[in-house]
Amino acid sequence: AQSVTQLDSQVPVFEEAPVELRCNYSSSVSVYLFWYVQYPNQGLQLLLKYLSGSTLVKGINGFEAEFNKSQTSFHLRKPSVHISDTAEYFCAVSDPVKKSNFGNEKLTFGTGTRLTIIP
Amino acid sequence: GAGVSQSPRYKVAKRGQDVALRCDPISGHVSLFWYQQALGQGPEFLTYFQNEAQLDKSGLPSDRFFAERPEGSVSTLKIQRTQQEDSAVYLCASSLPGGYINQPQHFGDGTRLSIL
Repeated sequence: AQSVTQLDSQVPVFEEAPVELRCNYSSSVSVYLFWYVQYPNQGLQLLLKYLSGSTLVKGINGFEAEFNKSQTSFHLRKPSVHISDTAEYFCAVSDPVKKSNFGNEKLTFGTGTRLTIIP
Repeated sequence: GAGVSQSPRYKVAKRGQDVALRCDPISGHVSLFWYQQALGQGPEFLTYFQNEAQLDKSGLPSDRFFAERPEGSVSTLKIQRTQQEDSAVYLCASSLPGGYINQPQHFGDGTRLSIL
């Protein structure tokens, strides 16, 4: 079974400082990796995804993530955070597609990291 | 365009009551997922539909949980004889057919269920 570990449950960062949110996964097969953001009382919004190709993935709102196969990591970074980035961030993994599931696979999520921006 | 719509947004029920949660996916999205998010946790997979076919229900925690999507569009998650441990946010997500890649899932705002 796959699993995702987000080591930091809470990360406080000063406004305009850089941030890195850590994510490690365990899987014996190739996987797809995702980062989602969840604002209070809302659903999850996709920030970025890694399916294949370049290991550096750029997403929305200035976020990027780097896939590191040898370290089984997919850390999320932003060079300068804003107050509006305050939210919960979830790393997720899914299996490669199976024909039997018509190309859609369930997501396995980490427990989340709460990013708090300090003015 | 309209996103994934879930109703009700909030539901309070007494222990032992039955509840029904509704999900309206994005038009044209044939794939539909249900997830359960306990307080302070990440979402956990419950079940998956491709059109009206329920292809995976391995995440349903007990036989009190039942999901359907009879016409391949709107889906209903039903919980019978609710227990306090059922209190959680229930998220619905929809996506286009995957083909050879895993299409991103678009999430609704969820239904927050509280069992008293």
